[in-house]
Amino acid sequence: EPEVTQTPSHQVTQMGQEVILRCVPISNHLYFYWYRQILGQKVEFLVSFYNNEISEKSEIFDDQFSVERPDGSNFTLKIRSTKLEDSAMYFCASSRDRSYSNQPQHFGDGTRLSIL
Amino acid sequence: GQQLNQSPQSMFIQEGEDVSMNCTSSSIFNTWLWYKQDPGEGPVLLIALYKAGELTSNGRLTAQFGITRKDSFLNISASIPSDVGIYFCAGRPQGGSEKLVFGKGMKLTVNP
Repeated sequence: EPEVTQTPSHQVTQMGQEVILRCVPISNHLYFYWYRQILGQKVEFLVSFYNNEISEKSEIFDDQFSVERPDGSNFTLKIRSTKLEDSAMYFCASSRDRSYSNQPQHFGDGTRLSIL
Repeated sequence: GQQLNQSPQSMFIQEGEDVSMNCTSSSIFNTWLWYKQDPGEGPVLLIALYKAGELTSNGRLTAQFGITRKDSFLNISASIPSDVGIYFCAGRPQGGSEKLVFGKGMKLTVNP
């Protein structure tokens, strides 16, 4: 069964450094999402992306964050200058169509980001 | 606001027992989804619900989309050890939003 794949599985970065998290969505999916889960807390929406632009973002997704689809397969999340509070699991998800077209979001296994 | 209250937070049951969990909100949701998360992995979709009143089964799992569109429940029948994990409800808020709002999760432990 097709899967969303994320790399790396664990990223350790010094505070203030830039980090790029990578995702390969399911191949026939058109809508892409990033979520994060701080240890012990619930999963929180960051951003949705369609047709090479952001379609929705949360208040968490500030100017330090950006997303990009640099080629036909990858979808990336960049954090420009990491802070300690950015430490979390970051999940990529994709769906074939818009959520309100009854297409569920499928999640990758996440990247654990640890900021030192 | 758009928050989901998931209960209970944890359950310890014996293998073979049934378990129920639910999510409620003060807001209306147009979609309800139930996911399971194993340690070190991402949420895996169990059941998706798209219509108020809808009752859907997936093997030993049954879930319902509440008539008021403000709640959903998930039942697991005849639990087995591999049911262990964290179960999350997630909903898509009314109003055309793409995002999913997640509950805090329920940690299930099954004693063999």
